[in-house]
Amino acid sequence: DVKVTQSSRYLVKRTGEKVFLECVQDMDHENMFWYRQDPGLGLRLIYFSYDVKMKEKGDIPEGYSVSREKKERFSLILESASTNQTSMYLCASSSPIYNSPLHFGNGTRLTVT
Amino acid sequence: GIQVEQSPPDLILQEGANSTLRCNFSDSVNNLQWFHQNPWGQLINLFYIPSGTKQNGRLSATTVATERYSLLYISSSQTTDSGVYFCAVERQSNYQLIWGAGTKLIIKP
Repeated sequence: DVKVTQSSRYLVKRTGEKVFLECVQDMDHENMFWYRQDPGLGLRLIYFSYDVKMKEKGDIPEGYSVSREKKERFSLILESASTNQTSMYLCASSSPIYNSPLHFGNGTRLTVT
Repeated sequence: GIQVEQSPPDLILQEGANSTLRCNFSDSVNNLQWFHQNPWGQLINLFYIPSGTKQNGRLSATTVATERYSLLYISSSQTTDSGVYFCAVERQSNYQLIWGAGTKLIIKP
């Protein structure tokens, strides 16, 4: 089974802090994604990566950056956390092969105070 | 851009009942997936179904691509089926999924 592991289940950070959310997958997937999920707004794509050192902006990249130095690891960085970044963050991975489904981690619930 | 609409938004059923969830999309798609998010937030892929019918145990899904809709059937519901069901479509092969708002299903014992 594909395993996508997010480093923290819950995080509480202060406004202005730099925040790192880590995601590791064990299936050698090329594609990795970061979403945020908010009530009433559904899932929104922040960034994705289809190869090491490659990144593409999703729908809401403002205030975020990403890093993919190794194939299995995709990090989401909040350069200066703000209260409007309080949310559930979900990492996912997939293979580029046709018919390949998306696999999610357990999520990180981030609260910025 | 493409619109994805799911119905009903909420559904409350007794254990053992059957249900049908619908996903309409406004344009042709390369890819359609159904997901279940359990009450603890874990999202699990149920089906990858751009067209045709698939079955997995008590769950089955049908996508009629020419008419731009997909249906998810849950038979003999169990309390563990509770959660939110999402459909998501991919318009082009650019890895970006467009998500519906979800159907929240509550199965009462």
